[in-house]
Amino acid sequence: NAGVTQTPKFQVLKTGQSMTLQCAQDMNHEYMSWYRQDPGMGLRLIHYSVGAGITDQGEVPNGYNVSRSTTEDFPLRLLSAAPSQTSVYFCASSYSNTGTGSRGYTFGSGTRLTVV
Amino acid sequence: SQQGEEDPQALSIQEGENATMNCSYKTSINNLQWYRQNSGRGLVHLILIRSNEREKHSGRLRVTLDTSKKSSSLLITASRAADTASYFCATDQLFGNEKLTFGTGTRLTIIP
Repeated sequence: NAGVTQTPKFQVLKTGQSMTLQCAQDMNHEYMSWYRQDPGMGLRLIHYSVGAGITDQGEVPNGYNVSRSTTEDFPLRLLSAAPSQTSVYFCASSYSNTGTGSRGYTFGSGTRLTVV
Repeated sequence: SQQGEEDPQALSIQEGENATMNCSYKTSINNLQWYRQNSGRGLVHLILIRSNEREKHSGRLRVTLDTSKKSSSLLITASRAADTASYFCATDQLFGNEKLTFGTGTRLTIIP
């Protein structure tokens, strides 16, 4: 039972480059989400999905795209990387939007992204 | 914007002592959760308390919720070096968008 798997763990991008952060879960969770974590700001929601084919914006969606073609996968795409996107990115999944009735959200181990 | 604010931002205690951290939030909630994050790792779910509950226990963890004050506390008893981590509260708002909003966290250091 791998839980939530994020790849890569580390990435350095040049300004303007694009890339995709991968997230996969094997728990058959309907709900998946992407957060970014910056010092002193906690976790901020980027995009989320309540099931395959359904995505929606969170608090800080600009500069990011997502898709959910399968229950298992929820990739996050950076369209044109900017230094402001330097952050640690976490993917999370749960049986429900709010993690109730289960064991809360299950988080991946994160991707540390640096944009130079 | 952050729904939850943890207090203190950082806390250092001797091993064996109890650690208490607090979370305040702004709007009415359905439930409140606490998560732990070890350095460089993802968050791990610790405990969930519903808005109609006042206290909950899990091992060495005790969580209280005061909805009239819009606050919660997390008590870790008999602290261990392995408890060194950041602790976050997360809430989902009543009549809100059914997503979790995380606070900024308390950095707990246990001194051996």
